[in-house]
Amino acid sequence: DAKTTQPPSMDCAEGRAANLPCNHSTISGNEYVYWYRQIHSQGPQYIIHGLKNNETNEMASLIITEDRKSSTLILPHATLRDTAVYYCIVRVSGTYKYIFGTGTRLKVLA
Amino acid sequence: SAVISQKPSRDICQRGTSLTIQCQVDSQVTMMFWYRQQPGQSLTLIATANQGSEATYESGFVIDKFPISRPNLTFSTLTVSNMSPEDSSIYLCSVITPSGRANEQFFGPGTRLTVL
Repeated sequence: DAKTTQPPSMDCAEGRAANLPCNHSTISGNEYVYWYRQIHSQGPQYIIHGLKNNETNEMASLIITEDRKSSTLILPHATLRDTAVYYCIVRVSGTYKYIFGTGTRLKVLA
Repeated sequence: SAVISQKPSRDICQRGTSLTIQCQVDSQVTMMFWYRQQPGQSLTLIATANQGSEATYESGFVIDKFPISRPNLTFSTLTVSNMSPEDSSIYLCSVITPSGRANEQFFGPGTRLTVL
């Protein structure tokens, strides 16, 4: 199973872009990358997912390297409410199972 | 999307006892999952609970310790048996809905368990 590694914590100034990296060097060709976030005392919330191409939605953008060994989640204009733990997840090929990374605790500073 | 509720939201239990956690979904779903989140840690999948079949447990988790029921398409329970302080965690259920985005999982709010 592919595993992910993330920096344990990051700070970002309010209004600036937050770039959260994730390494998944053992990912196989048909495994998706998902990003979720968990605000204190709540269940994780879906942000975005991708396979090979870069993706964008109303919350964030996901940049996946060409070799698919790493990805970056971009929150274009971070707000204080974006303070949370962000998880990079690989969905196991052929299943619906998620393998959670250790997460990055993002703190958005006023 | 799916709205998921869990009961209880939190509990404090004595060593050696058992606690059953309920997960209720507002729509019919085939796939449900149970996770454990130990203090300050990430989420670890305990088992997959599909209606009409036995739960499938991940490595390190066994049915005798974490029996799961899935009586219908909107409900599941997870029991934490013969508890010890090491079982103190947040337990979360999640579901995949037929209309979800590419197998997106929706998570419940979690049950915070403290074992004394």
